[in-house]
Amino acid sequence: EAGVAQSPRYKIIEKRQSVAFWCNPISGHATLYWYQQILGQGPKLLIQFQNNGVVDDSQLPKDRFSAERLKGVDSTLKIQPAKLEDSAVYLCASSLGGFTGELFFGEGSRLTVL
Amino acid sequence: KQEVTQIPAALSVPEGENLVLNCSFTDSAIYNLQWFRQDPGKGLTSLLLIQSSQREQTSGRLNASLDKSSGRSTLYIAASQPGDSATYLCAVDMDSNYQLIWGAGTKLIIKP
Repeated sequence: EAGVAQSPRYKIIEKRQSVAFWCNPISGHATLYWYQQILGQGPKLLIQFQNNGVVDDSQLPKDRFSAERLKGVDSTLKIQPAKLEDSAVYLCASSLGGFTGELFFGEGSRLTVL
Repeated sequence: KQEVTQIPAALSVPEGENLVLNCSFTDSAIYNLQWFRQDPGKGLTSLLLIQSSQREQTSGRLNASLDKSSGRSTLYIAASQPGDSATYLCAVDMDSNYQLIWGAGTKLIIKP
């Protein structure tokens, strides 16, 4: 079974530039999450989708971050314009939903903002 | 507000030792607790999930326990191996929406 796919793995940009990350969840997984993980910290939930609807985006900085999940499958996370403090690993995870509980993570996209 | 703490932040032990990693949380009204492993430059892998009604879960050399009343969980690793070297994170789910609240992790190094 293929895992959660993310791209690009690494991205270096200058502040005020824009960047987009892509995630393809495990087939059949209804729930998709984007997390931000700053070095030395646990992941912070940015947004949670159930199919193509947003369940929670309370911690998403909406002035610069946006995310969408078209057709309830793939998802993109965009940052525009980027700030230095956005340097982090962006992790995508998916789950079946319901009460199974188990999350499956991609390898992440490491962003460096100079 | 739920807070999850993992102490120590880093731990180094010789190969073969049994060890315990700690996770504490401030609000005992959790739905479940999960332990994850993260290798450098990689995503997270779920190791064990304990429902709030359970006391422990076991998988191979790993055993996770949960004491909701005291706000604590432990991950026991038996007969540690160098391949166990990684960062171990715990996360709690408060309301079954899987909006996990995470600890900062314990970086474990097993010395050959």
